[in-house]
Amino acid sequence: EAQVTQNPRYLITVTGKKLTVTCSQNMNHEYMSWYRQDPGLGLRQIYYSMNVEVTDKGDVPEGYKVSRKEKRNFPLILESPSPNQTSLYFCASSLGVGAGANVLTFGAGSRLTVL
Amino acid sequence: GEDVEQSLFLSVREGDSSVINCTYTDSSSTYLYWYKQEPGAGLQLLTYIFSNMDMKQDQRLTVLLNKKDKHLSLRIADTQTGDSAIYFCAEKGEDDKIIFGKGTRLHILP
Repeated sequence: EAQVTQNPRYLITVTGKKLTVTCSQNMNHEYMSWYRQDPGLGLRQIYYSMNVEVTDKGDVPEGYKVSRKEKRNFPLILESPSPNQTSLYFCASSLGVGAGANVLTFGAGSRLTVL
Repeated sequence: GEDVEQSLFLSVREGDSSVINCTYTDSSSTYLYWYKQEPGAGLQLLTYIFSNMDMKQDQRLTVLLNKKDKHLSLRIADTQTGDSAIYFCAEKGEDDKIIFGKGTRLHILP
């Protein structure tokens, strides 16, 4: 089944404890992206990647890192999480930008709480 | 900058039609989308429309695009309880970036 898989789905952690949220897609998509969803603010893009070894900042990149060493994986790293990073995180992928509709496939979400 | 606006809430009686509206600012948008988010799940594409079209119909869904007014709407005919969700409008702008609205929460009244 074509899908985007995120782990963990739920996590409670404490301020300053490094964590990684993994994202993997099995559709050979070139484009991958991370979003956070907060009440009243909708979806905001954190980082995106057009292809392997190519990553760019989105609208709210502060406090986050990403890497794209392989096409299928795009982990989101919080080196020193803070309470304002408590949010619902979504990974998404698509065939690629440019020509075409660039339809995004989303993961099921990872709910992160930072105490 | 690019922006997508939509109302945050809509209540509709079961069996009636729901109309969710959206406005956007980027006149060079090539594609416009509607995504649906059910409780506890990620977003799923409902439908999209290319900017040179003014209407697209798919079963109970009708998308209308007024490019002059930069207005997009989604009509759901015969609204059912399973349509209860958050609906996101989105546009693909000139830099190929996808910009999302804040989402409209559709509540179905019995």
